[in-house]
Amino acid sequence: GEDVEQSLFLSVREGDSSVINCTYTDSSSTYLYWYKQEPGAGLQLLTYIFSNMDMKQDQRLTVLLNKKDKHLSLRIADTQTGDSAIYFCAESMKNKIIFGKGTRLHILP
Amino acid sequence: GAGVSQSPSNKVTEKGKDVELRCDPISGHTALYWYRQRLGQGLEFLIYFQGNSAPDKSGLPSDRFSAERTGESVSTLTIQRTQQEDSAVYLCASSPRDPALGEQFFGPGTRLTVL
Repeated sequence: GEDVEQSLFLSVREGDSSVINCTYTDSSSTYLYWYKQEPGAGLQLLTYIFSNMDMKQDQRLTVLLNKKDKHLSLRIADTQTGDSAIYFCAESMKNKIIFGKGTRLHILP
Repeated sequence: GAGVSQSPSNKVTEKGKDVELRCDPISGHTALYWYRQRLGQGLEFLIYFQGNSAPDKSGLPSDRFSAERTGESVSTLTIQRTQQEDSAVYLCASSPRDPALGEQFFGPGTRLTVL
């Protein structure tokens, strides 16, 4: 079936790295995405990775893809208070995008 | 250009009433999605429109839910005989092409509260 799994909560100290993990089910997914939802705001695409890539880096963000294990991770270096949000993992499947339930990232002072 | 807009931003209704939610996608975007997000939950796919093709209604939870879209413009999501479990934020997203190849642009959502 269609399922994207991710842990619901993550607490990280300010300045440390955050790693949010996700597993997905469809090995034919073309793209995998990370969306960010800040309090009271809509979802915004944070980054994405094409399925033939293993890694993508964009400033403080690093996405790692393990296709064999169907595992996707998002690393945020030097986590700041502004990174506090819910992060959704998503995979493309046929004509739609399937989202996980989201990981709420909490920043400790 | 404007992003995806939705109206109303908030809707409070009584159980049993019908509600209609509106989505204005980004001009030129051929794909349009409706999602439901219950409190503390992820996004639940409801329905997908792509150009003039038949919509993918596989996510609609019951026959009380329906949606329409005229061409590549405005879409309306209608919920008949609302129930308390329909309370959620209803999100609309549009995409300029096959969404599997690119991102979706989300609207701010309509928060529906059924009393």
